[in-house]
Amino acid sequence: AQTVTQSQPEMSVQEAETVTLSCTYDTSESNYYLFWYKQPPSRQMILVIRQEAYKQQNATENRFSVNFQKAAKSFSLKISDSQLGDTAMYFCAFMLGANSKLTFGKGITLSVRP
Amino acid sequence: KAGVTQTPRYLIKTRGQQVTLSCSPISGHRSVSWYQQTPGQGLQFLFEYFSETQRNKGNFPGRFSGRQFSNSRSEMNVSTLELGDSALYLCASSLGGTGGQETQYFGPGTRLLVL
Repeated sequence: AQTVTQSQPEMSVQEAETVTLSCTYDTSESNYYLFWYKQPPSRQMILVIRQEAYKQQNATENRFSVNFQKAAKSFSLKISDSQLGDTAMYFCAFMLGANSKLTFGKGITLSVRP
Repeated sequence: KAGVTQTPRYLIKTRGQQVTLSCSPISGHRSVSWYQQTPGQGLQFLFEYFSETQRNKGNFPGRFSGRQFSNSRSEMNVSTLELGDSALYLCASSLGGTGGQETQYFGPGTRLLVL
């Protein structure tokens, strides 16, 4: 079975600074996908970024980038130039290549201070 | 394109009752997945429907069931409600190809409170 671990329950960052959210996962499969989702107080789950395991290049979406370390089974999210609107719960998620089930970590609450 | 919609947004039920939740996917999406979110258990996969057939199933009791219609809209039913079924129920849609090639897009959720 696949597992996703987010060991930091909460983090806080000053507006305009950079913050990194950690995630590790465990799988014996080689074909899989990794995601970061954001859930603001409205509870709407929003995709932040995705990474295909077969791609060596780290995914980037504007201020959001990942550090994907396949051998270490690590998938961290870096948020640059943090904005107040980034305040939310962030979930790391895993999906096997031949499946449509997302396995989520417990999430981390990120607070951006003005 | 309109996003994933879920109705109703809020529900209050009593123990023993049953409830039906509805999810309309993004136009053109043929796969609908359901997740339960609780403070204690986090986000857990319930099941996935594709072309009116259940394609994947999570580890939930038989009281949780679902179906999908020919227009890809999906319903989830919970019978004999228990207090522990209080949760945010999220549905997500994707185009429906096999596996994780496609991203799942989530609806706003239905918050169910069982008294």
